[in-house]
Amino acid sequence: EAEVAQSPRYKITEKSQAVAFWCDPISGHATLYWYRQILGQGPELLVQFQDESVVDDSQLPKDRFSAERLKGVDSTLKIQPAELGDSAMYLCASSPVMRGYTGELFFGEGSRLTVL
Amino acid sequence: DAKTTQPPSMDCAEGRAANLPCNHSTISGNEYVYWYRQIHSQGPQYIIHGLKNNETNEMASLIITEDRKSSTLILPHATLRDTAVYYCIVANNQGGKLIFGQGTELSVKP
Repeated sequence: EAEVAQSPRYKITEKSQAVAFWCDPISGHATLYWYRQILGQGPELLVQFQDESVVDDSQLPKDRFSAERLKGVDSTLKIQPAELGDSAMYLCASSPVMRGYTGELFFGEGSRLTVL
Repeated sequence: DAKTTQPPSMDCAEGRAANLPCNHSTISGNEYVYWYRQIHSQGPQYIIHGLKNNETNEMASLIITEDRKSSTLILPHATLRDTAVYYCIVANNQGGKLIFGQGTELSVKP
């Protein structure tokens, strides 16, 4: 069964360092999402892509976070500089549906970030 | 997007039905009810969704009240592997975002 791949699975970094997470969605899925999940809370949407275009990045802290999906396939989420409050699980999800319909999302295992 | 209200935690005996309630009193006519679950240290997993009618699949059943202001997810024969956080989400079909709340932490006990 096809899965959403994420790496690294775990990342420990010091504050003020740069960190990057990679996501490879299920083949053919046009929509890609990055969520952040702080321990004990539900996932929070950071950014949504439709192909290579950003559909929604209203919750992305743009002073330090950036996300790209250059060829409309895999995606990278970057944090620079990392802060203590960025410690969380970063989840990637993809969906086969086009813009205008919210369907089933397929999530990856996530990348757990710890900032020291 | 409408908000949902779920109990923070529930227990269920193994082999019994688990009934997880969700209130969504401000749901709009074009908003669907979605259920996801998240097992510890894994990404969320889609379970089921519906608009008006009750729905059933291999994982669960979804019962939506006639006024659509509340719903119940039913796991007919809960197993220990069903221990997870269950999220009820409402979202429209016009590109609405899936906004996760705190969910219900279901503990299935032997």
